[in-house]
Amino acid sequence: DAKTTQPTSMDCAEGRAANLPCNHSTISGNEYVYWYRQIHSQGPQYIIHGLKNNETNEMASLIITEDRKSSTLILPHATLRDTAVYYCIVRVRLTGGGNKLTFGTGTQLKVEL
Amino acid sequence: DSGVTQTPKHLITATGQRVTLRCSPRSGDLSVYWYQQSLDQGLQFLIQYYNGEERAKGNILERFSAQQFPDLHSELNLSSLELGDSALYFCASSPTGSFNTEAFFGQGTRLTVV
Repeated sequence: DAKTTQPTSMDCAEGRAANLPCNHSTISGNEYVYWYRQIHSQGPQYIIHGLKNNETNEMASLIITEDRKSSTLILPHATLRDTAVYYCIVRVRLTGGGNKLTFGTGTQLKVEL
Repeated sequence: DSGVTQTPKHLITATGQRVTLRCSPRSGDLSVYWYQQSLDQGLQFLIQYYNGEERAKGNILERFSAQQFPDLHSELNLSSLELGDSALYFCASSPTGSFNTEAFFGQGTRLTVV
């Protein structure tokens, strides 16, 4: 499985951009990078995913380096409600056609006033 | 609201018992995934079903089993429960069995084994 490395925690001021880095140096050519977040013990919330091009949606932007060994999730204007654990995941295709999201320990983002 | 419904939200049971957790995927989603989240293990993939058939297996114990029914809802059966099975159990669904489409999680079932 491709593994990801994220900082354990980060702080961000409300209204500023939050830039969450992730290393995935062993990612394979056809594996996607996914970002989820989890607030307290709620179900993980899908944020965004990408293969090799930068992606943007209403929640965030995903910047993937050209060599695909790292990526950055950008929350353009962080609010207190963005305080959560953010997981960077390489979605792995399994034998038999299945797949799984392998969650690591994530980054605890704390947004403060 | 992700559109994925899990019942019950909370469950307390004794060691040695058997329980069934239920998951209703988003409308139209064919694939269902089960995950376990305990304090010391984080989120662990258990099993994936696609259109009624098992597609992938993860760290699922032999005491646990799952199935997906023709109406696409899924059940996770946990038997001979142990204290260590206490955890949050999440179900996720996605439109296809492909790994390049987003998967949406339910709010989970909190299982407490006493």
